[in-house]
Amino acid sequence: DAKTTQPTSMDCAEGRAANLPCNHSTISGNEYVYWYRQIHSQGPQYIIHGLKNNETNEMASLIITEDRKSSTLILPHATLRDTAVYYCIVRFRSGTYKYIFGTGTRLKVLA
Amino acid sequence: DVKVTQSSRYLVKRTGEKVFLECVQDMDHENMFWYRQDPGLGLRLIYFSYDVKMKEKGDIPEGYSVSREKKERFSLILESASTNQTSMYLCASSLPGNTDTQYFGPGTRLTVL
Repeated sequence: DAKTTQPTSMDCAEGRAANLPCNHSTISGNEYVYWYRQIHSQGPQYIIHGLKNNETNEMASLIITEDRKSSTLILPHATLRDTAVYYCIVRFRSGTYKYIFGTGTRLKVLA
Repeated sequence: DVKVTQSSRYLVKRTGEKVFLECVQDMDHENMFWYRQDPGLGLRLIYFSYDVKMKEKGDIPEGYSVSREKKERFSLILESASTNQTSMYLCASSLPGNTDTQYFGPGTRLTVL
């Protein structure tokens, strides 16, 4: 299984960009990187995913290094509602596709 | 919007009781999943199903069983609840394929006394 390593916690000022790093040095060529977040007492929410290229959607941007061993999730203008636990996940295929969730990064957006 | 609903947000049961957790999705997804979430351990996969009447064990299936009689509904069963099954239970669904995105329900916080 390709595992991920994330910092335990981070703070970010409201209105600033939040950059959340993730290391996945054992990722294989056909494995995608997914990001989810979980706001307190809710189920995880999909944010974005990518394979090789950088990706952007209405929620965030995903930057994947050329060697694919790490990635960064960017929330361009963090708000208080972005306070959550953010999970970086590498897709592992075993019969069907399953996720391996780590313990994530607890992001606190400060007013 | 995909909607995944779970039958209860909070549930309190006694040791030895049979417990049913229900999950329903409204987007015709083939795949459905049950996870449990515990502090410091992240989400762990209990069982998943990729079709009606099909099921596969996840990483921690002991003490649990599942049922999928209809495509939209996936049930998690605790045959004889124990205190170490106190946890947050999360259901998810997805389409099959290379880039399937899992959509999660709000979770059921189960306490076994």
